[in-house]
Amino acid sequence: AQSVTQLGSHVSVSEGALVLLRCNYSSSVPPYLFWYVQYPNQGLQLLLKYTTGATLVKGINGFEAEFKKSETSFHLTKPSAHMSDAAEYFCAVSGGGADGLTFGKGTHLIIQP
Amino acid sequence: EPEVTQTPSHQVTQMGQEVILRCVPISNHLYFYWYRQILGQKVEFLVSFYNNEISEKSEIFDDQFSVERPDGSNFTLKIRSTKLEDSAMYFCASSLKAGTSPNEQFFGPGTRLTVL
Repeated sequence: AQSVTQLGSHVSVSEGALVLLRCNYSSSVPPYLFWYVQYPNQGLQLLLKYTTGATLVKGINGFEAEFKKSETSFHLTKPSAHMSDAAEYFCAVSGGGADGLTFGKGTHLIIQP
Repeated sequence: EPEVTQTPSHQVTQMGQEVILRCVPISNHLYFYWYRQILGQKVEFLVSFYNNEISEKSEIFDDQFSVERPDGSNFTLKIRSTKLEDSAMYFCASSLKAGTSPNEQFFGPGTRLTVL
């Protein structure tokens, strides 16, 4: 069984500030981890994914995330927030194969001018 | 860039009615998925589909639900007799290949189902 916990349903940062969105997971098998972004009235778009190999993964739009097995975490960061980053962000875990994704509840990122 | 499309964008129905939600996955993809998101809650996996049969389904996917790939392009989710609690956003997704390492699932924009 797998689960995902995203700390903070809403996160507000100033434009240009560091973005940190937290994600912790539990999985009975080696996990595959994902971050998706959802803009208003749109579908889910993949930001980045961790499957195997390098634990620091880089994604689109300047985002990156680090897989820390000892902490069962996969936090998402971006050094400098931009107004266009305002969206809903979802962390997800999969056991592989044709498994469906298990999502967290999402974090709404607000960018203050 | 290829994308997953879903129709309709919004469906309103009366409780007890049947609804069919339609999806056109990316053309060379082989695995298809349905998810739902009840307002204010997390996105939940419903079912995955490969080679014209269900690969995996969640406990949400009970006998009221069915999926079908009626032709080479469409992938449908049918809810036989809708309940108020079926009101949600339904997302379709597709991926090129599964196996030992999951491939990226591409999501459609969703269909908002409202059951009155």
